[in-house]
Amino acid sequence: DQQVKQNSPSLSVQEGRISILNCDYTNSMFDYFLWYKKYPAEGPTFLISISSIKDKNEDGRFTVFLNKSAKHLSLHIVPSQPGDSAVYFCAAISNSGYALNFGKGTSLLVTP
Amino acid sequence: DVKVTQSSRYLVKRTGEKVFLECVQDMDHENMFWYRQDPGLGLRLIYFSYDVKMKEKGDIPEGYSVSREKKERFSLILESASTNQTSMYLCAGGQTNSPLHFGNGTRLTVT
Repeated sequence: DQQVKQNSPSLSVQEGRISILNCDYTNSMFDYFLWYKKYPAEGPTFLISISSIKDKNEDGRFTVFLNKSAKHLSLHIVPSQPGDSAVYFCAAISNSGYALNFGKGTSLLVTP
Repeated sequence: DVKVTQSSRYLVKRTGEKVFLECVQDMDHENMFWYRQDPGLGLRLIYFSYDVKMKEKGDIPEGYSVSREKKERFSLILESASTNQTSMYLCAGGQTNSPLHFGNGTRLTVT
């Protein structure tokens, strides 16, 4: 059963605008959340993370928001750039677990 | 800089062959993982290891086995390759509750 869900398979955004990628989870034991970015023919690269004790974490153009009561997190990219075009994976883990649980990914296309 | 190296970028094997996918990490991390990525299915965990000679099944272990004889090396074995094992295989390493670092993947085609 999918414990981490990314319900939008794809998203298209104009360059300079905001990209918002969403992720929902079902396991209330998850306490650490991550976003990975993946280009074709490459492995995923870590982008940003957030602990359950926070509701926001920011790193440059990337901000992750966590709403624990809704079991929802989102990744905001502002401003979006064509080089941001990639597949973004949401992942989560509990402090008693070893392995990340990944969503199915959202393919972001940033158009000039 | 952290590095996870997968020995092959592309492999083509025949049905029934025994296939070895090799992965080496230089981070001295206890945990290593094998995932496969398929369109529309995301990343699915095959096996992981939290110590030398230790292994745990992930979500889809059927048809696979693993070997971790040394801390830095984690091998994925397809005992008898089948066409439904055609996929992108991703190895990763990391410490508990820290981001995983992935290799560049091995695109395996089984014909």
